[in-house]
Amino acid sequence: GDSVTQMEGPVTLSEEAFLTINCTYTATGYPSLFWYVQYPGEGLQLLLKATKADDKGSNKGFEATYRKETTSFHLEKGSVQVSDSAVYFCAQLTGGGNKLTFGTGTQLKVEL
Amino acid sequence: NAGVMQNPRHLVRRRGQEARLRCSPMKGHSHVYWYRQLPEEGLKFMVYLQKENIIDESGMPKERFSAEFPKEGPSILRIQQVVRGDSAAYFCASSPYPPRTGTNYGYTFGSGTRLTVV
Repeated sequence: GDSVTQMEGPVTLSEEAFLTINCTYTATGYPSLFWYVQYPGEGLQLLLKATKADDKGSNKGFEATYRKETTSFHLEKGSVQVSDSAVYFCAQLTGGGNKLTFGTGTQLKVEL
Repeated sequence: NAGVMQNPRHLVRRRGQEARLRCSPMKGHSHVYWYRQLPEEGLKFMVYLQKENIIDESGMPKERFSAEFPKEGPSILRIQQVVRGDSAAYFCASSPYPPRTGTNYGYTFGSGTRLTVV
């Protein structure tokens, strides 16, 4: 079935370090892909999205490229800040499905 | 333009009581989704509703859980005879269109209701 796999956390980085959070998916067809962010005690906010192969989603310095050949949608940021500390969820929406399928989430902690 | 509104933010129930969680979608959104987030886990789909219709309830537990989205008013997720294992964060999301790949939108999520069963 359709699924999303994320790297396990927590990921702990120093401020201004480079961030990569890996995400791969399995799907029948061509899904739309999303990254959501959840700050402590809050709901999910859409961070970025890509709807077809080779699309690059970007927002707030974060980027992710839809790679059909490797079925991946890795999240990257060149220089993280303490305020980026949150849980990041990768998700997919598959054709004919009625729901977003989420990965288990990756907690990011950024320290000074 | 208010976002997805969920209430209450926090709900405490004793075992055996009923829990009613409310969700008002964004203005202009007629598609509502409920997700459950258990501690230390990702979000799991529960149910997808349009006005007055349940479209997909494949993620709903077979017993004690029900959902509705009436013509007027918010969507309601109802849990009867709650047990400790129902303790979780319940998130509602809405969208203006049915789920469809290739579209340039994502769901908008509410801040969730955190249910604690004591």
